[in-house]
Amino acid sequence: DGGITQSPKYLFRKEGQNVTLSCEQNLNHDAMYWYRQDPGQGLRLIYYSQIVNDFQKGDIAEGYSVSREKKESFPLTVTSAQKNPTAFYLCASSITSGGQPQHFGDGTRLSIL
Amino acid sequence: QQPVQSPQAVILREGEDAVINCSSSKALYSVHWYRQKHGEAPVFLMILLKGGEQKGHEKISASFNEKKQQSSLYLTASQLSYSGTYFCGTERYRDDKIIFGKGTRLHILP
Repeated sequence: DGGITQSPKYLFRKEGQNVTLSCEQNLNHDAMYWYRQDPGQGLRLIYYSQIVNDFQKGDIAEGYSVSREKKESFPLTVTSAQKNPTAFYLCASSITSGGQPQHFGDGTRLSIL
Repeated sequence: QQPVQSPQAVILREGEDAVINCSSSKALYSVHWYRQKHGEAPVFLMILLKGGEQKGHEKISASFNEKKQQSSLYLTASQLSYSGTYFCGTERYRDDKIIFGKGTRLHILP
């Protein structure tokens, strides 16, 4: 079955450490997205990519970085510059950008040790 | 700019109806609706493109008034499985990113 796989499900970060969240999709979708979810805040867009080797900043990109070297993969790195990284991170994809439903992964919950 | 959802929370008894609204201050190309259960991923419900067409999905339907930049989600004869948080997401033009509202929490009592 096609879908989006995020790993790990739970992740702990030490102060000053970079961590990378994995997102893989086998839906053959061109567009991929990373969202951060905090209680009561809805889904806030971190980065998105409409095509391989290209990506754009979302509303809260500071302290995060991404790459899109393959169509199937869109990893998110939470850098030490992100001072409040504790949140639920969701990856999504859509066939193309614009007017298309987004399919979400099961999420990664990141906490600070 | 983030769309505004209302109400923030709703408590209903099974079988009652609910309406969730989503408003934007900008002209819109589309409105998306998703439902998320606690600790799970959001699930797509429907998309409405500008044109005001009402869509339906079982007992859940939605409308989009592009003149008012407003969409409403209608849940009729609610079931326990309808509980969760409902998010609307808006796009201002075809290849725009989606901006999600803060969500409306719906709790259905037996």
